[in-house]
Amino acid sequence: DAKTTQPPSMDCAEGRAANLPCNHSTISGNEYVYWYRQIHSQGPQYIIHGLKNNETNEMASLIITEDRKSSTLILPHATLRDTAVYYCIVRVGYNAGNMLTFGGGTRLMVKP
Amino acid sequence: DSGVTQTPKHLITATGQRVTLRCSPRSGDLSVYWYQQSLDQGLQFLIQYYNGEERAKGNILERFSAQQFPDLHSELNLSSLELGDSALYFCASSVDTGPSSYEQYFGPGTRLTVT
Repeated sequence: DAKTTQPPSMDCAEGRAANLPCNHSTISGNEYVYWYRQIHSQGPQYIIHGLKNNETNEMASLIITEDRKSSTLILPHATLRDTAVYYCIVRVGYNAGNMLTFGGGTRLMVKP
Repeated sequence: DSGVTQTPKHLITATGQRVTLRCSPRSGDLSVYWYQQSLDQGLQFLIQYYNGEERAKGNILERFSAQQFPDLHSELNLSSLELGDSALYFCASSVDTGPSSYEQYFGPGTRLTVT
């Protein structure tokens, strides 16, 4: 699986868009990008995933660059409840064993 | 609410003891995963079951074992407990179909404290 690199921490003002970057320069053609977040000591929460097209759901948007070497998770109007650690994970679409490998993630602090 | 339930929420026990953590997956999900989160190791995958069969193993200690029952609930058994086993234990579930298998839904966790 491709390795990912994320900034360890970011701040965002409440009501503004939070843009969380992830570098995955060694990603291969059949690997998907997944985003999860973990609010303090709660179970991780799935946010969104994508292969090469941009994706949007009720929680966030995922923008993947054309060369697929990086992506950005966008929370359009961050609230205090979005304060969490955000994890970018790259996985092959399907294999025998579907475990998630969590790195250090980005600690997002949303400030009033 | 993810639809995944875990019991108990908290567990305090002594070194050398054995405990059982229980997980009920979301309705319809055939895969169950166990993860451990300790302060110094972060979130680590332990083991996956799919429809009653072991599918994948991570860095799970020999003192730990798991199983998935016909009703798809799963139990994680931890024995000969050591202080270092104190951690949050999460269960997750997913359908096991292609990319959606990584769309995992996590329970609230069991906080284990070994004294």
